[in-house]
Amino acid sequence: NAGVTQTPKFQVLKTGQSMTLQCAQDMNHEYMSWYRQDPGMGLRLIHYSVGAGITDQGEVPNGYNVSRSTTEDFPLRLLSAAPSQTSVYFCASSYSSSSGRINEQFFGPGTRLTVL
Amino acid sequence: GENVEQHPSTLSVQEGDSAVIKCTYSDSASNYFPWYKQELGKGPQLIIDIRSNVGEKKDQRIAVTLNKTAKHFSLHITETQPEDSAVYFCALRSGGSYIPTFGRGTSLIVHP
Repeated sequence: NAGVTQTPKFQVLKTGQSMTLQCAQDMNHEYMSWYRQDPGMGLRLIHYSVGAGITDQGEVPNGYNVSRSTTEDFPLRLLSAAPSQTSVYFCASSYSSSSGRINEQFFGPGTRLTVL
Repeated sequence: GENVEQHPSTLSVQEGDSAVIKCTYSDSASNYFPWYKQELGKGPQLIIDIRSNVGEKKDQRIAVTLNKTAKHFSLHITETQPEDSAVYFCALRSGGSYIPTFGRGTSLIVHP
């Protein structure tokens, strides 16, 4: 298994440009999330999904859109990039056991985004 | 949402010393407490976790303790090595919620 993959690894955008950060997992996990990581701020949740066709907002959703048309893919769209969106973005997936217990998250390697 | 306070933000130790990172929380419904290690340029990776029905769990040089009464849990690393240098995040989750809450991280530096 490749686990959680993210593309691109690095991206530079100009203010106002749009782009999509790709995330895919091959573990058949039902839960997927997007986080941003800024110095001293830890990991902040942007959007999450509990299954295909279901998404919800996290702590910092403004300026970002998501969709989940398949179990495997969970792209994050920046509609009009702003310098405040300069950050490292992580995608994560998780699963529940047959008992219903929700388990740990598996993180991708991250995308480092700079908005000029 | 639930808050989790993580301390210290930076921890510097000599190789072979022990390191302890502590997290405190307020929601008594929290029942899952994982710890993640993030090496430079990589995503966080689970190193150990504990559930609310257990007070302590060990895995070689790493241990996690949970005090539900006082609402805190700690990561203990013994005989530290330079490769333990990384950022460590505590996290917790409540009830059936999928959404975990993360601490702000501790940068551990192990000097050879």
